[in-house]
Amino acid sequence: AQKVTQAQTEISVVEKEDVTLDCVYETRDTTYYLFWYKQPPSGELVFLIRRNSFDEQNEISGRYSWNFQKSTSSFNFTITASQVVDSAVYFCALRGNNQGGKLIFGQGTELSVKP
Amino acid sequence: SQTIHQWPATLVQPVGSPLSLECTVEGTSNPNLYWYRQAAGRGLQLLFYSVGIGQISSEVPQNLSASRPQDRQFILSSKKLLLSDSGFYLCAWDRTDYGYTFGSGTRLTVV
Repeated sequence: AQKVTQAQTEISVVEKEDVTLDCVYETRDTTYYLFWYKQPPSGELVFLIRRNSFDEQNEISGRYSWNFQKSTSSFNFTITASQVVDSAVYFCALRGNNQGGKLIFGQGTELSVKP
Repeated sequence: SQTIHQWPATLVQPVGSPLSLECTVEGTSNPNLYWYRQAAGRGLQLLFYSVGIGQISSEVPQNLSASRPQDRQFILSSKKLLLSDSGFYLCAWDRTDYGYTFGSGTRLTVV
């Protein structure tokens, strides 16, 4: 079975702090993809990153960075120097080698960045 | 350009009434399409997916059904809504290298 766990339900930080959102996944597939999405208050899900299981290089995009470690089945997301606009719910998701390309989501972490 | 459209944005329906939510994609052919529901409490639950016209797979038993009458059209329906059908419904399209692209969602309140 496939599963994604985001243990942090809510996180609150003050602007300019760094914050890391944790994601742990379970799958028996050798080929799989991991994703992060952002859901602002408007509700729409915004794609942030896709990482395949063979690429363990860390990724940096501006203030965002992702740390993928297969040894611990984790795909953590760090926001550096957080801003109020980063306030949203963030979802980690997994797509294994399944029919239909189904995406399995974690429960989400609600990040609140206060000025 | 490749886009996904979903409507309506909000809907208030009485218990027992029918439902029809529509999702269409543009700029691609033979897409994999998905319906998700997000109830209060945030989790996203996969309801249905479709890999082609007339091909529907259901992930959970429920009061809803889905249809794919055309290549780029995906419809979520119900004959009689229940209170428990309230939630935020999202249509998604698998863009492979770009992950899923989601529609803007429909907020359904059953009263």
